[in-house]
Amino acid sequence: EAQVTQNPRYLITVTGKKLTVTCSQNMNHEYMSWYRQDPGLGLRQIYYSMNVEVTDKGDVPEGYKVSRKEKRNFPLILESPSPNQTSLYFCASSVSGRKTYEQYFGPGTRLTVT
Amino acid sequence: AQSVAQPEDQVNVAEGNPLTVKCTYSVSGNPYLFWYVQYPNRGLQFLLKYITGDNLVKGSYGFEAEFNKSQTSFHLKKPSALVSDSALYFCAVRDVGGGNKLTFGTGTQLKVEL
Repeated sequence: EAQVTQNPRYLITVTGKKLTVTCSQNMNHEYMSWYRQDPGLGLRQIYYSMNVEVTDKGDVPEGYKVSRKEKRNFPLILESPSPNQTSLYFCASSVSGRKTYEQYFGPGTRLTVT
Repeated sequence: AQSVAQPEDQVNVAEGNPLTVKCTYSVSGNPYLFWYVQYPNRGLQFLLKYITGDNLVKGSYGFEAEFNKSQTSFHLKKPSALVSDSALYFCAVRDVGGGNKLTFGTGTQLKVEL
């Protein structure tokens, strides 16, 4: 089954404790992206990757890091989480190229930072 | 910068009645427009997209959307609503300059009642 998986689905942590949210897709997609969803703000892009070893900032990258060492994985790293990073996080992937392809989303990770 | 606006936070419809979820866009150049749906505790799912061609686009689950260039709108419609259509709906526009990046609206909660 074609899918995007995220782990963990729920996470409660404390300020300053480093964490990683994993994202993996099994569709051989080149493009992967991280979004955060906050009430009244919709989804905002954090980082994206056009392919292995190619990453770039989205609209709200502060406080986040990413890496793309393998095509299927795109982990999101919070080196020193703060309460304003409490949010619902989504990973997405799609085929890349000149055509416009729809994105496939993971189930989401609800993060609470106290 | 491109953007989409969803003017209604919530839309209530009786089952069996037609539904419309509104979206307007602002882009320079030709718009690539999308609708996604989010069911509770799930990731976003692709419904339909407009790239070029016919202004009426048909998508999943009986949904369709009408592209109107003069009004810069891309409203989502369904002739007969179902209770199971109750969900959060997002309009999005693709960034023509930045790969596959999508800019999302703030979302509209659709509630279909018996």
